[in-house]
Amino acid sequence: AQTVTQSQPEMSVQEAETVTLSCTYDTSESDYYLFWYKQPPSRQMILVIRQEAYKQQNATENRFSVNFQKAAKSFSLKISDSQLGDAAMYFCAYRSRGGGSQGNLIFGKGTKLSVKP
Amino acid sequence: DTGVSQDPRHKITKRGQNVTFRCDPISEHNRLYWYRQTLGQGPEFLTYFQNEAQLEKSRLLSDRFSAERPKGSFSTLEIQRTEQGDSAMYLCASTSLGPTGGETQYFGPGTRLLVL
Repeated sequence: AQTVTQSQPEMSVQEAETVTLSCTYDTSESDYYLFWYKQPPSRQMILVIRQEAYKQQNATENRFSVNFQKAAKSFSLKISDSQLGDAAMYFCAYRSRGGGSQGNLIFGKGTKLSVKP
Repeated sequence: DTGVSQDPRHKITKRGQNVTFRCDPISEHNRLYWYRQTLGQGPEFLTYFQNEAQLEKSRLLSDRFSAERPKGSFSTLEIQRTEQGDSAMYLCASTSLGPTGGETQYFGPGTRLLVL
């Protein structure tokens, strides 16, 4: 069974600075997807960024980028130029690829990010 | 596109009562997932539907839980004889299954259940 581990329960960053959130996962599959979701307080979960395992190039979305190390099974999220609105719980998630899979997401426990003005 | 909606947003009930939650997915999405999120944890998969067919249930879904998706549109999740351990946020997500199998799941705001 696949597992996702986020070893940082809480992180803090100064506004305009850069922060990196860590995620490791365990799987025997070679083809899968990885995601970072953001869950602001009392608001719904939204997708930040996704990465296909078969792609070597790291995904980027504006101020958000990932460092995907497939051999190490590591998938960290870097937030540049942090803004107050980035304060939220961040969840790393894994999803098997392929039409035969049920396609559910497997989540880590999350990292609570605080942004200091 | 109005997004995924869930109703109610909050529910307080007494132990032993039945509760039902509703999820309205994004209209063109054929897959619908239910997850449960307890405090301090990430969401955990409960069950999913492809159109109206319920294709998988996790071991977390005891026989007190039942889910339906009539006509492949909205879905309901019912919990019978609620227990205090059922207190959690119940999240619904929808996606459109395509050839790559990696389509993004869009989440609703969740229903927060408190069992007294």
